[in-house]
Amino acid sequence: NAGVTQTPKFRVLKTGQSMTLLCAQDMNHEYMYWYRQDPGMGLRLIHYSVGEGTTAKGEVPDGYNVSRLKKQNFLLGLESAAPSQTSVYFCASSQPQGSKNIQYFGAGTRLSVL
Amino acid sequence: AQKITQTQPGMFVQEKEAVTLDCTYDTSDPSYGLFWYKQPSSGEMIFLIYQGSYDQQNATEGRYSLNFQKARKSANLVISASQLGDSAMYFCAMREVHQGGKLIFGQGTELSVKP
Repeated sequence: NAGVTQTPKFRVLKTGQSMTLLCAQDMNHEYMYWYRQDPGMGLRLIHYSVGEGTTAKGEVPDGYNVSRLKKQNFLLGLESAAPSQTSVYFCASSQPQGSKNIQYFGAGTRLSVL
Repeated sequence: AQKITQTQPGMFVQEKEAVTLDCTYDTSDPSYGLFWYKQPSSGEMIFLIYQGSYDQQNATEGRYSLNFQKARKSANLVISASQLGDSAMYFCAMREVHQGGKLIFGQGTELSVKP
């Protein structure tokens, strides 16, 4: 009963380092999303995908890249980490059902960039 | 532009009492969905309840109900018979059908349930 799994759960980077966050879902959902959550704020969409091989920009895409080579996986990459990217990152997936389209979230990845 | 507003940064409620968390939204799309999520201190986002813009009746899920007032563009969450485990952040979110699957979140309300 895994649902949406994010790895790693915690990570500390130095400025300029790169890393990839992995999101995997076992619900056969078409849509997948990456959000970031900063203190005192709701979640903001970074990138999303409406199917295997597709990606699109969200509200705050700068500094991030994504790939969806397999339907069940959605990768978020930071090529050159900056302190402003210190945040909690959430992955979500959903199956489109008109306006309903309930998104199910992973447990989050806490990233600190020093 | 689509927007979600939660005007209560923090709320307190006595155990076993009901509480209402406010949410107003702004959209020009006639087809949209409204969602509430719970985020306990452990950090995960838990889906609570959904209301579609064309739904005639207010949504209910166990102790959660959504007071949907379309003309006022409000979608308040009502939690009945509060429990200590309800202490958490609560986020209201909206999805416009013609904007893909994207959710726009409010800033959240922190609910504390007192014994």
